[in-house]
Amino acid sequence: DSGVTQTPKHLITATGQRVTLRCSPRSGDLSVYWYQQSLDQGLQFLIQYYNGEERAKGNILERFSAQQFPDLHSELNLSSLELGDSALYFCASSVEWESEQFFGPGTRLTVL
Amino acid sequence: AQTVTQSQPEMSVQEAETVTLSCTYDTSESNYYLFWYKQPPSRQMILVIRQEAYKQQNATENRFSVNFQKAAKSFSLKISDSQLGDTAMYFCAFMKLNQGAQKLVFGQGTRLTINP
Repeated sequence: DSGVTQTPKHLITATGQRVTLRCSPRSGDLSVYWYQQSLDQGLQFLIQYYNGEERAKGNILERFSAQQFPDLHSELNLSSLELGDSALYFCASSVEWESEQFFGPGTRLTVL
Repeated sequence: AQTVTQSQPEMSVQEAETVTLSCTYDTSESNYYLFWYKQPPSRQMILVIRQEAYKQQNATENRFSVNFQKAAKSFSLKISDSQLGDTAMYFCAFMKLNQGAQKLVFGQGTRLTINP
């Protein structure tokens, strides 16, 4: 157990819908990262927050957005869902910038 | 942009054997970290080992060790005395050190099967 929690574990929804994925980092970690793992794209970085501020953006679609709240938990919002958004979404956290990232168990999103 | 390449999509060895997973990367940066992550069938991403580019000494964690060749941009993982629980996908990852903004760039992974 890495100490990073993600909810829900599984999510099944329809095209065009909107969902919110939640992540709680390890105690004391200020940085939160979101990654997407899909069969065709592999593991890809989406976005990073550090103490509430956005720090880095990767291959994140405009339909996706994220935020980190004052209690440091983070949410990833996915809207206008398409079949291709079906993937495993990981949250990771780290203490500081130059330290290893610990991953949560992931949320498996299925878009039908 | 950095890229990470794992040239072995699948590998299979017998229990107790030693196996080496290959990874090469492309970067113009001089200050970075490299990682190996393990993803068992449970899908959890587990950190196996970390190497700082400025360190010449290869990292070791119990049965896991790396061969870091900075000039060749190579970062292989050696698993000694392999165990059934080592069966998993293994991902090599690169992280450029950029103050305040860090991201992992992953290779495509190597599926390792340990046979009894």
